[in-house]
Amino acid sequence: QVQLQESGPGLVRPSETLSLTCSVSGDSITSSSYYWGWFRQAPGKEPEWLAYMYNSGKINFNPSLRSRTTISVDTAKNQFSLNLFSVTAADTAVYFCARAPRYSGAWERSFDIWGQGTTVAVS
Amino acid sequence: DIQMTQSPSTLSASVGDRVTITCRASQNIYNWLAWYQQKPGKAPKVLIYKASNLESGVPSRFSGSGSGTEFSLTISSLQPDDSATYYCQQYNAYSFAFGQGTKLEIK
Repeated sequence: QVQLQESGPGLVRPSETLSLTCSVSGDSITSSSYYWGWFRQAPGKEPEWLAYMYNSGKINFNPSLRSRTTISVDTAKNQFSLNLFSVTAADTAVYFCARAPRYSGAWERSFDIWGQGTTVAVS
Repeated sequence: DIQMTQSPSTLSASVGDRVTITCRASQNIYNWLAWYQQKPGKAPKVLIYKASNLESGVPSRFSGSGSGTEFSLTISSLQPDDSATYYCQQYNAYSFAFGQGTKLEIK
């Protein structure tokens, strides 16, 4: 059974870079059958999509955050990571990684497996 | 940008009630819509995908309908465990926008 686990620093200072890692077990992040994504949820707000990757390197970003976001992959560790640059208090949130099934390149379903989330405070 | 608007924002109902949450998209999203349930301190859990398809393992009292810009999630007979916040989400290759959520409370 696939499981996702986020890890991160907990606290980041304004203007610094937030680095988060999603460790995947029970499936390979190199599988062409899935998309792997990042979301965040500020206190009391709806979730917000940040980015997703597939085929171990193809990436789509939320346009509103594209200039501050990168994603990297460590296939040996079966992990993928998110970097968010120049953070401000508005980036304080719970950050989730998630998986979505991929069917012949189409989005038939949305993200169905989520990690438990990691809380990040910018202060 | 696609905007998703849910109503109501809060809902209070009794066990056994039939409840409906609606979601409106700012443009035609065909049937590319999911519904999620989220409990405090937990990740969202998908209930419905492609507007009306029940996710595996989700109780059959949950159902979804709609297409284009108008969608709804119905719980046919409310159970105590259904107390949660519910979100609609549109999805395509370039956008995954959530509604603002509906907090469902059990009386």
